[in-house]
Amino acid sequence: AQSVTQLGSHVSVSEGALVLLRCNYSSSVPPYLFWYVQYPNQGLQLLLKYTTGATLVKGINGFEAEFKKSETSFHLTKPSAHMSDAAEYFCAVSDRGGAQKLVFGQGTRLTINP
Amino acid sequence: DAGVTQSPTHLIKTRGQHVTLRCSPISGHKSVSWYQQVLGQGPQFIFQYYEKEERGRGNFPDRFSARQFPNYSSELNVNALLLGDSALYLCASTLGPEIGGYTFGSGTRLTVV
Repeated sequence: AQSVTQLGSHVSVSEGALVLLRCNYSSSVPPYLFWYVQYPNQGLQLLLKYTTGATLVKGINGFEAEFKKSETSFHLTKPSAHMSDAAEYFCAVSDRGGAQKLVFGQGTRLTINP
Repeated sequence: DAGVTQSPTHLIKTRGQHVTLRCSPISGHKSVSWYQQVLGQGPQFIFQYYEKEERGRGNFPDRFSARQFPNYSSELNVNALLLGDSALYLCASTLGPEIGGYTFGSGTRLTVV
């Protein structure tokens, strides 16, 4: 069965600093990988996804993530944090076939300090 | 283009009651999935429907059921509500995860008292 582990339930960085949110997955075959952001009392917004091809994926709002098969990781980064980045971030995986359900990690709450 | 729309946005129910939540996918999306997000946790998969057929079911009791209509909209039904059913219920639609990923609605906040 697939699983996702997000290291760090809370991450705090200063405005302008590097953001690094960690995600490791467990899957028998390379899955599809996603990062979503959730602002308070809202649904989930897709930041970026990896399905095939280039392992460095660029998303919205300056975020990017790199798929590393050997490390079963898909860490999310942003070079310079902005106050508006404060939110909950979820890493998720899905199979390449079948029901294609999303399996989410527990989430990481990102706080930006002025 | 309209995104995924869910209704109602909020509702309060009493234990033992029944609830129906509704979802309209993005135009052209034939796949709809439902997720439950309990406060402080990641969303948990409940159901997936494609072309009106159930394609996947998560680890939820039989009190939870769903269906998809010819226009690809969907309903999630929960019977005999428990306090633990209080959560944000999210609907997602997709053309295919490899194409555009999954687009989520803003959810329905269900409170069971």
